[in-house]
Amino acid sequence: NAGVTQTPKFQVLKTGQSMTLQCAQDMNHEYMSWYRQDPGMGLRLIHYSVGAGITDQGEVPNGYNVSRSTTEDFPLRLLSAAPSQTSVYFCASSRAAGGPREQFFGPGTRLTVL
Amino acid sequence: DAKTTQPNSMESNEEEPVHLPCNHSTISGTDYIHWYRQLPSQGPEYVIHGLTSNVNNRMASLAIAEDRKSSTLILHRATLRDAAVYYCILREVAGKSTFGDGTTLTVKP
Repeated sequence: NAGVTQTPKFQVLKTGQSMTLQCAQDMNHEYMSWYRQDPGMGLRLIHYSVGAGITDQGEVPNGYNVSRSTTEDFPLRLLSAAPSQTSVYFCASSRAAGGPREQFFGPGTRLTVL
Repeated sequence: DAKTTQPNSMESNEEEPVHLPCNHSTISGTDYIHWYRQLPSQGPEYVIHGLTSNVNNRMASLAIAEDRKSSTLILHRATLRDAAVYYCILREVAGKSTFGDGTTLTVKP
């Protein structure tokens, strides 16, 4: 199993550009989520999904869109990039949404917005 | 969303036990307590979780207070590879997890 994969590893955008961060998992996990991590800080939840076709907002959803058309993929779209979105983005998955489920994290995408 | 509070940093000597505390006074009855750790330039890695009872696995032990308002992650013999940021988080039944800023553990040889 590849686990949770994220592409690209690094990305530089100009203010106002849009892009999609890709996340895929091959573990047949129902629950997937996106976090951002600013320097020296913990992770903050952007959006999450409890299954295909179902998404919901986390703590910091503004400026981001998600969709979940398949179990495997959970892309994160930046609509109009801003310097405040410079961060490291992590995707995670778990077998189900329940409290005891362990989350598996991807390696992250480091995004810089100029 | 329930929050957790951890010390910013802790130090330990190699091969000694480490106790990492976490306060979560607003925990709800159905929240699970999870611990993750993060090495530099990597995603967080699961360590252990529990609900009410103390838990042990090959990596660590988790001690949960009787009122569930605090917990302690115990590394029985710290190694240099245990140096990381440790996060105590609460995972809701719906799956949402709230991360704090974590504790940076330094292990001295």
